[in-house]
Amino acid sequence: EDQVTQSPEALRLQEGESSSLNCSYTVSGLRGLFWYRQDPGKGPEFLFTLYSAGEEKEKERLKATLTKKESFLHITAPKPEDSATYLCAVKSGANSKLTFGKGITLSVRP
Amino acid sequence: ETGVTQTPRHLVMGMTNKKSLKCEQHLGHNAMYWYKQSAKKPLELMFVYSLEERVENNSVPSRFSPECPNSSHLFLHLHTLQPEDSALYLCASSLRTDHGYTFGSGTRLTVV
Repeated sequence: EDQVTQSPEALRLQEGESSSLNCSYTVSGLRGLFWYRQDPGKGPEFLFTLYSAGEEKEKERLKATLTKKESFLHITAPKPEDSATYLCAVKSGANSKLTFGKGITLSVRP
Repeated sequence: ETGVTQTPRHLVMGMTNKKSLKCEQHLGHNAMYWYKQSAKKPLELMFVYSLEERVENNSVPSRFSPECPNSSHLFLHLHTLQPEDSALYLCASSLRTDHGYTFGSGTRLTVV
């Protein structure tokens, strides 16, 4: 069974203080690792898909990386508008579904 | 707007009521999904439809009944729900089941 563990559960940063969010996973045949952002009262918004170890993708202040066991979402010089819950999900060869972690709630103080 | 529209946004229903949640997408996607999101828990997959055919049912109680009349519309019919069914119900769609998903904004359901 696919498993996804995200840590920490919550993270508070000062504006401009860079940090990383972790997503550890166990799957049988990774077919994709997905990062989503979710704001309160809204559905998850797609950020990145990573398919193989060593792959990296960037979007503004966010950079996602992937190894065979985990993915990191690096946030460089965050701003208050980056405050949200960040969800990680995996898709394996055995499943047609995405398996999600519990998410990491990020708060960025001005 | 993401391209996936869910209605209503909020719903309060009694345990004896019958109601339906609606999801609509015009992204040309062939797969649609219902997820349940409860506080402090991961998103839980409920149902998967691919080309209007149900391909997965994750042991969901029969008080939840999905319907997919065409590739653009998905419904979740609710009857005799329990208070523990209160949650955010999210609809999503994708081009294929092995692609990333586009989510709607969800329906916040409260069962009283």
